[in-house]
Amino acid sequence: AQKITQTQPGMFVQEKEAVTLDCTYDTSDPSYGLFWYKQPSSGEMIFLIYQGSYDQQNATEGRYSLNFQKARKSANLVISASQLGDSAMYFCAMREISGSARQLTFGSGTQLTVLP
Amino acid sequence: EPEVTQTPSHQVTQMGQEVILRCVPISNHLYFYWYRQILGQKVEFLVSFYNNEISEKSEIFDDQFSVERPDGSNFTLKIRSTKLEDSAMYFCASRGQKMREGYTFGSGTRLTVV
Repeated sequence: AQKITQTQPGMFVQEKEAVTLDCTYDTSDPSYGLFWYKQPSSGEMIFLIYQGSYDQQNATEGRYSLNFQKARKSANLVISASQLGDSAMYFCAMREISGSARQLTFGSGTQLTVLP
Repeated sequence: EPEVTQTPSHQVTQMGQEVILRCVPISNHLYFYWYRQILGQKVEFLVSFYNNEISEKSEIFDDQFSVERPDGSNFTLKIRSTKLEDSAMYFCASRGQKMREGYTFGSGTRLTVV
């Protein structure tokens, strides 16, 4: 069963604007972690932000924030003030703590293009 | 900042040959992983390694694959008899005790089987 769904294969945003990348997940494990990774064209995987299922507040890291809606099982990434260097593939990932998917499981990714 | 180092960055091999992909995880990390990404597709889990043994493996990780931690620093993935469909980017990753610090990925080895 698909655990992580990213419904936007591609997104465009104007430089300096904010953009939201969608991610929904499926789990019956009450304890899990959600991650976002950035993959530039050079290929490396860069960790951006983490949200634990029991965290009381939405995670923020600089220009990245995670809009975590537990009841809806969504963990959207918000990038504020987009920069040209933000153009990349973005992957949402989840790890269950005690469920069957204790390895990091990735969505199919969203290709973000920042326009000048 | 500590990083995961992978070598080689690119490898081309003949079908049927054995390849060994090498990784040096972050020194104080305890959990090690191999993932692969076929061009343009999602990142797929292969295997996790903890306390000198495999803790989980996926369906992809069949008898052609093996992992080793031969010494205190290296972590290797061996593909015994490569197939064309093994062509992919292979990522090594490691993490410490705190999951919120994330999994640190290496820059990958692009394997091309011809």
